[in-house]
Amino acid sequence: GESVGLHLPTLSVQEGDNSIINCAYSNSASDYFIWYKQESGKGPQFIIDIRSNMDKRQGQRVTVLLNKTVKHLSLQIAATQPGDSAVYFCAENMPMNTGFQKLVFGTGTRLLVSP
Amino acid sequence: DAGVIQSPRHEVTEMGQEVTLRCKPISGHNSLFWYRQTMMRGLELLIYFNNNVPIDDSGMPEDRFSAKMPNASFSTLKIQPSEPRDSAVYFCASLWGTWTDTQYFGPGTRLTVL
Repeated sequence: GESVGLHLPTLSVQEGDNSIINCAYSNSASDYFIWYKQESGKGPQFIIDIRSNMDKRQGQRVTVLLNKTVKHLSLQIAATQPGDSAVYFCAENMPMNTGFQKLVFGTGTRLLVSP
Repeated sequence: DAGVIQSPRHEVTEMGQEVTLRCKPISGHNSLFWYRQTMMRGLELLIYFNNNVPIDDSGMPEDRFSAKMPNASFSTLKIQPSEPRDSAVYFCASLWGTWTDTQYFGPGTRLTVL
């Protein structure tokens, strides 16, 4: 599927390096954040999430950090592998005036991992 | 589980034609979402169903777009008449629970309107 834009920021790393992908979110009332990975021709795939009452959460080879003061989210990937090459999106769970909420996605960052 | 199933995977049509995209959510999930992804606008939420009821359709671009969920295992997104600017990848996602739970995405339908 068409998963990337012409002007996506790109992070190029060597296999084995650690990668850090950053994201700024917009709404200080957002209470839940998710990182998704999208490979070419596929839908976004859940990687890791974090709630606003946490600053850090770790998964397998991935860590998400949340800084609510500056509304910043980061995804750290340890020992990056070629299979990690994809577009990564952050998403914030944003409360709406209607009383409902919706996920708002960032523009994405393309990660390129060289062998 | 087979995951979220979408059909068709690719659709090419001519301007003015009706297009129907289909989605089967993961069994047991009670919320369903339709998204559109383009180079220019990224990933946008079009409409959200909870227990088969449309909750928020504020993202639906205009009256040419309509979505239905007749039962818990099937939803459609229809565009009539289609226009070239509707060309995009359309994703369906589902989840069980509340907003603070994981949405699972389907593989998408790539729509091209000539």
